[in-house]
Amino acid sequence: DADVTQTPRNRITKTGKRIMLECSQTKGHDRMYWYRQDPGLGLRLIYYSFDVKDINKGEISDGYSVSRQAQAKFSLSLESAIPNQTALYFCATSGYSSGRSYNEQFFGPGTRLTVL
Amino acid sequence: KNEVEQSPQNLTAQEGEFITINCSYSVGISALHWLQQHPGGGIVSLFMLSSGKKKHGRLIATINIQEKHSSLHITASHPRDSAVYICAVRDSNYQLIWGAGTKLIIKP
Repeated sequence: DADVTQTPRNRITKTGKRIMLECSQTKGHDRMYWYRQDPGLGLRLIYYSFDVKDINKGEISDGYSVSRQAQAKFSLSLESAIPNQTALYFCATSGYSSGRSYNEQFFGPGTRLTVL
Repeated sequence: KNEVEQSPQNLTAQEGEFITINCSYSVGISALHWLQQHPGGGIVSLFMLSSGKKKHGRLIATINIQEKHSSLHITASHPRDSAVYICAVRDSNYQLIWGAGTKLIIKP
């Protein structure tokens, strides 16, 4: 079973709709991240959370919100989706489990979101 | 100018060729990562290095801190190596800065 899962894997929605992307992990990591990937650009950090009570904005947080419901769950919401939010979204985790430092991140499979 | 630049952006080669992908950065770093993104989208970490050289199977990663440059080499390339290879650096604030990726296609 995958350690970091994302749902849905693909989503098509309309402008103005609210949408939530969910991320769950079984790695026992305390840090979780949301990124978006656009063609020709590097990954860009939307939000990150170092634990359940610690949530921080990344470089492109406008238009997004997050919720850390538990250590294992980190959700990304688009309150009113717009077409330029069409992208591939990745959740990632990092932690000290298995002797690894926070330097290494483990990625979910991605969610392809299309906003019409 | 991006803080992390990869070259080339696209690379097509024949099976068996020796592959080199380059990454240059302009900030002080504590570590550099190489990751692989499969055609289906999944991203996996290949290497994390802060000095010298690391080898894993047919993959070799090197870094020159003074020149702010890293290379990822693939020996005896195979079609299954076709993927996007991404360089990311961790800056002095422990934030990750991502390169745009190099799309590699290995033809049989």
